[in-house]
Amino acid sequence: AQSVTQLDSQVPVFEEAPVELRCNYSSSVSVYLFWYVQYPNQGLQLLLKYLSGSTLVKGINGFEAEFNKSQTSFHLRKPSVHISDTAEYFCAVNPNTGFQKLVFGTGTRLLVSP
Amino acid sequence: KAGVTQTPRYLIKTRGQQVTLSCSPISGHRSVSWYQQTPGQGLQFLFEYFSETQRNKGNFPGRFSGRQFSNSRSEMNVSTLELGDSALYLCASTGNRGVNTEAFFGQGTRLTVV
Repeated sequence: AQSVTQLDSQVPVFEEAPVELRCNYSSSVSVYLFWYVQYPNQGLQLLLKYLSGSTLVKGINGFEAEFNKSQTSFHLRKPSVHISDTAEYFCAVNPNTGFQKLVFGTGTRLLVSP
Repeated sequence: KAGVTQTPRYLIKTRGQQVTLSCSPISGHRSVSWYQQTPGQGLQFLFEYFSETQRNKGNFPGRFSGRQFSNSRSEMNVSTLELGDSALYLCASTGNRGVNTEAFFGQGTRLTVV
């Protein structure tokens, strides 16, 4: 079975500061990795995904993530956050089993203050 | 291109009733997945349909069921509602059989059971 751990339930940060949201996963099969963002009363929007190739993945809104196979991690980073980045962020894996089934972490609430 | 449309956006039902939620995927998408989001359990996979066939099912009781029509629109039904079924139900569509593609989410249906 697959599982995703997001250790930080909430991350407060000041505007223009850098931020890292941590994600670790466990799986007995190869997986594809995703980060989604959810704004209040909205669905999920894809920030970025890792399928294969370069371990550094760039996404929308200036976010990037690095896949580390040995540490089974996929941490999300942004060098300078904006107030508008305040939202809930979810890390997810999709096991390479042929079916579409995302396994999500518990989410990290990013709170950006001025 | 229109996104994933879920109807209704909000729903209030009484314990013991049943409810049907609808999801229209992005045009051309044949895979539709359903997820339940609650504060306590987070995002959990319900089931996935592809070409009118259920390919995968999560760990939910039989009160939760779904179906997909020939135009790829999907419905999920919950019978004999319980208070614990109160949640945001999210639908996602993907473009092909593979798991290495982005799942596009709708805005969700917020179900409140009283």
